[in-house]
Amino acid sequence: QVQLQQSGPGLVKPSQTLSLTCAISGDTVSSISAAWNWIRQSPSRGLEWLGRTYYRSKWFNDYAVSVKSRITITPDTPKDQFSLQLNSVTPEDTAVYYCAREGSGGWSFDYWGQGTLVTVSS
Amino acid sequence: IQLTQSPSFLSASVGDRVTITCRASQGINSYLAWYQQKPGKAPKLLIYAASTLQSGVPSRFSGSGSGTEFTLTITSLQPEDFATYYCQQLNTNPFTFGPGTKVDIK
Repeated sequence: QVQLQQSGPGLVKPSQTLSLTCAISGDTVSSISAAWNWIRQSPSRGLEWLGRTYYRSKWFNDYAVSVKSRITITPDTPKDQFSLQLNSVTPEDTAVYYCAREGSGGWSFDYWGQGTLVTVSS
Repeated sequence: IQLTQSPSFLSASVGDRVTITCRASQGINSYLAWYQQKPGKAPKLLIYAASTLQSGVPSRFSGSGSGTEFTLTITSLQPEDFATYYCQQLNTNPFTFGPGTKVDIK
């Protein structure tokens, strides 16, 4: 059974960097059939896909245009986890952040982390 | 690709048949998934590839459609089905979600 466990601070100051980690059990971040995604949810934006990392003989990343200049998603193969960094945050980045596995074939996000509420405030 | 859902809110009774529609602004083949979300919880996958039931999901849930129009049907609504439902397209980056349909108790 795949499980995703999120960790990271719930409060970030404006202009600073939001950092979250998603630890994987029951699968591996280097899987050649999965991709590892970050999504956020807020009342104003709804569910918003932020980006993903995946391994297909080499590492690939895809990012949403809305955050492309500020986001980095990094795999950590020894620890089987992946991380989200979002730079220069503003109060508009306040949201619940989720990690999720995109399963084989890219048909769905079949496993999700528990969610982390991140508030951007001074 | 923009996704719209209708209705945005639905009031129903236990035992009712419920249908939710998701429309895409352009064709997405069958790369459409449906999720159920309850307050304070992560979305839960119900249907993928437009009509394939995720393992462990009750058979009262079904999905249909292709191209730009898709439906999620719940036959005989159960108390645990009162939640918000989202569609998601995975055909084209960025993988967008619909705005959600809240199913409430009448």
